[in-house]
Amino acid sequence: EAVLTQSPGTLSVSPGEKATFFCRASRTESDTSLAWYQQKPGQAPRVVIYDTSNRASGIPDRFSGSGSGTDFTLTISRVEPEDIGIFYCHQYGSAPQTTFGRGTRLEIK
Amino acid sequence: QERLVQSGAEVKRPGSSVRVSCLASGVTFHNFQITWLRQAPGQGLEWVGAMIPTYGTRHYGRIAPDRVTITADGSATYMELTSLRFEDTAVYFCARSPIIDMYRGKYYDFWGQGTLLTVSS
Repeated sequence: EAVLTQSPGTLSVSPGEKATFFCRASRTESDTSLAWYQQKPGQAPRVVIYDTSNRASGIPDRFSGSGSGTDFTLTISRVEPEDIGIFYCHQYGSAPQTTFGRGTRLEIK
Repeated sequence: QERLVQSGAEVKRPGSSVRVSCLASGVTFHNFQITWLRQAPGQGLEWVGAMIPTYGTRHYGRIAPDRVTITADGSATYMELTSLRFEDTAVYFCARSPIIDMYRGKYYDFWGQGTLLTVSS
């Protein structure tokens, strides 16, 4: 399966600013989609975006996802202090086993 | 309340086995895939294996294909890991996903709270 490379490793953003997360797949695979998860310390991940651009239930509209092929993006339009955590991208659909990126840590300045 | 509830933390000796449970509360496993993932301290997420109880299909990842067994029984699913090694120390999560077909799932919409497994002599 494809390897997912996330960048940057750490994102430090002031409240109210925009945060952009990148996820690049090592190859294009047919019939695949991408999800983004937020994980806060000591908690399980929770889905933020699924099928590349759909917001999960309860996720504020400041979160958005986009992309196609090998390049995907998660954007938080106006970061709030509660948004801290590690964000993982996750590709699924091509095979039973799925792949995660190594994560991007979001810090608040 | 909709959630997946996992069994408590375990401390095991190398070479022994562990069985972790995941109980559905307010959610169903019918026509969903249940995946077990793990996260070593300070690390990312690794795919351990998955099952679609409705079809009885199972797949195990490269982490421990000959040491892991995933089963389901109604509203509960279980992961057994044998011949434990120090490097199996991690938090183990169960997660539910809508299915694509009888072999594949999509994103994880519900997660268990995690079960810390510590392998120590």
